[in-house]
Amino acid sequence: DTGVSQNPRHKITKRGQNVTFRCDPISEHNRLYWYRQTLGQGPEFLTYFQNEAQLEKSRLLSDRFSAERPKGSFSTLEIQRTEQGDSAMYLCASSLAGGGDNNEQFFGPGTRLTVL
Amino acid sequence: GNSVTQMEGPVTLSEEAFLTINCTYTATGYPSLFWYVQYPGEGLQLLLKATKADDKGSNKGFEATYRKETTSFHLEKGSVQVSDSAVYFCALRAGSYIPTFGRGTSLIVHP
Repeated sequence: DTGVSQNPRHKITKRGQNVTFRCDPISEHNRLYWYRQTLGQGPEFLTYFQNEAQLEKSRLLSDRFSAERPKGSFSTLEIQRTEQGDSAMYLCASSLAGGGDNNEQFFGPGTRLTVL
Repeated sequence: GNSVTQMEGPVTLSEEAFLTINCTYTATGYPSLFWYVQYPGEGLQLLLKATKADDKGSNKGFEATYRKETTSFHLEKGSVQVSDSAVYFCALRAGSYIPTFGRGTSLIVHP
């Protein structure tokens, strides 16, 4: 396994367009997380899944954002009607469920979104 | 709510210099504390962690001690290398699977 992968790595779009990002977690991990990271800031939590169930959503996740994990494996994050303020790095992470060391999160390289 | 404050960067050092990156936190209860590192073009990697007061996390020559009395978790390394150049994030996790991150501190090490 090569770790968490994200595609595309970079996306440039015009304001008002829809974009979709994909995350492939580590294969045996049943938890998957999405974060947003803007320049000079740490990652901010957006949402997470356990298997196919979306268990928690941040207030940062506006109605224009939707995330899915239909088969409990890969996940997609869609942003509709993009705005310039959506420009950021979108990070995905995955982990096992459970307590202790088992739920260490492993991060992907991120998708950098630029909205013109 | 939970929050993490890190010293602003960039921190610029010569190779073999001593490194300290300060981190203080505010949290309810007894959080676990973490340092992550992000190399250019890569995702965050867990560098070290500590789960209770007075624990010392260590990895790759880096160390940090969980100080409950000062609510701090400062990152130190005795002799930095050019390859340590990266952005370092302090984070905490308290009663949740979701970590709260600091803003990150960029480290630049010159030969």
